[in-house]
Amino acid sequence: QGHLVQSGGEVKSPGASVKVSCKASGYTFTYYTLSWVRQAPRQGLEWMGWISGYNSDAKYAQKFQGRVTMTTDASTSTAYMELRSLGSDDTGVYYCVRVVDAAMVMAFDIWGQGTMVTVSS
Amino acid sequence: AIQLTQSPSSLSASVGDRVTITCRSSQGISRALAWYQQKPGKTPKLLIYDASSLQSGVPSRFSGSGSGTDFTLTISSLQPEDFATFYCQQFHSFPLTFGGGTNLEIK
Repeated sequence: QGHLVQSGGEVKSPGASVKVSCKASGYTFTYYTLSWVRQAPRQGLEWMGWISGYNSDAKYAQKFQGRVTMTTDASTSTAYMELRSLGSDDTGVYYCVRVVDAAMVMAFDIWGQGTMVTVSS
Repeated sequence: AIQLTQSPSSLSASVGDRVTITCRSSQGISRALAWYQQKPGKTPKLLIYDASSLQSGVPSRFSGSGSGTDFTLTISSLQPEDFATFYCQQFHSFPLTFGGGTNLEIK
């Protein structure tokens, strides 16, 4: 099955950074890629990037390139997403999501509970 | 980036109705499309992957079809628990993108 548990909500000032954690359980961490998706208040879903649980290779959406860093710690089955230079439009819920990939068929099958990040002065 | 356009953006329907939601891609994506359901205040849930494969545990009243640029999600007989927002997502090329969502409300 599998389960993803994220860190708690954060309130940050403009220009600050935030680091969200995502702890995986119930499956072999190194077998899967983890993705990060955000959702602004009352808005749709936006893909930020993903990172391999096997070798920590990461790929970021161009929109976030240079401002986001995704890392993993296989020893604790935990993934992290750090977003820097926060602005008010970064306010939203951030989800970590497991990527299932079988013979080039992919989907986001397990979602963390989400972490609310509020950017406010 | 590939754009996914969902229609309608909102829809009112009654329990027992058959409902179809459309997702159109700005370029061909083969069958690399998934559908998700999100209820208010909840996390998205995978319904369909590879355009038409039903995720384990998802009721059979949900079905997906299509390939290339045009895709549909159909709910054969709406149940009270189905009212939610639905999103399509493409996995054909980076950046991965989502449709804008379809809000399904009770009539």
